[in-house]
Amino acid sequence: DTAVSQTPKYLVTQMGNDKSIKCEQNLGHDTMYWYKQDSKKFLKIMFSYNNKELIINETVPNRFSPKSPDKAHLNLHINSLELGDSAVYFCASSRRGQGASGYTFGSGTRLTVV
Amino acid sequence: DAKTTQPTSMDCAEGRAANLPCNHSTISGNEYVYWYRQIHSQGPQYIIHGLKNNETNEMASLIITEDRKSSTLILPHATLRDTAVYYCIVAYSGAGSYQLTFGKGTKLSVIP
Repeated sequence: DTAVSQTPKYLVTQMGNDKSIKCEQNLGHDTMYWYKQDSKKFLKIMFSYNNKELIINETVPNRFSPKSPDKAHLNLHINSLELGDSAVYFCASSRRGQGASGYTFGSGTRLTVV
Repeated sequence: DAKTTQPTSMDCAEGRAANLPCNHSTISGNEYVYWYRQIHSQGPQYIIHGLKNNETNEMASLIITEDRKSSTLILPHATLRDTAVYYCIVAYSGAGSYQLTFGKGTKLSVIP
């Protein structure tokens, strides 16, 4: 029973393409996140949704558009992919009131843009 | 920006205690210290957190200095599976949703 699942696990695509990464959690959490881990291994938050509402939107190019159809899902769509978008993207979820100890991360999606 | 400072890397012999230090000299009174770790190719995993008292759970112990400006994560009997990057994070706790800000972490290598 995977708590936070992401698909696909690996994604190789050409520059200029549009791609989506999907995330689902079955923990009953009400907040979901997207993090990006670049080649230098820095983990940085990109977006956060609480009950389908965007609450954190860091400085991310407009080519990245998150969508949360319901509390259990948070998808990430990327337009016009660039070489610099190559990274591992992690989805996470938490419950308000649990503080920062309640994060559960997915296993990541490794995106390679060629 | 991360509010913590950690050594870049550490080695530990298998079966020995691993002591991972963290400096957080600008921590405010209602901020907690959290520890997460990331095993290669996996997502980060919560380990432990504390405010000012020492804490222990099935994974580790957390020692926080009296002035709260530094802390040490202790893995009492390190195994090869504990090889990972360990992140010390300072954050608020409570009713809101919290953004985890990761620094560079400490790469712990457990040596057979």
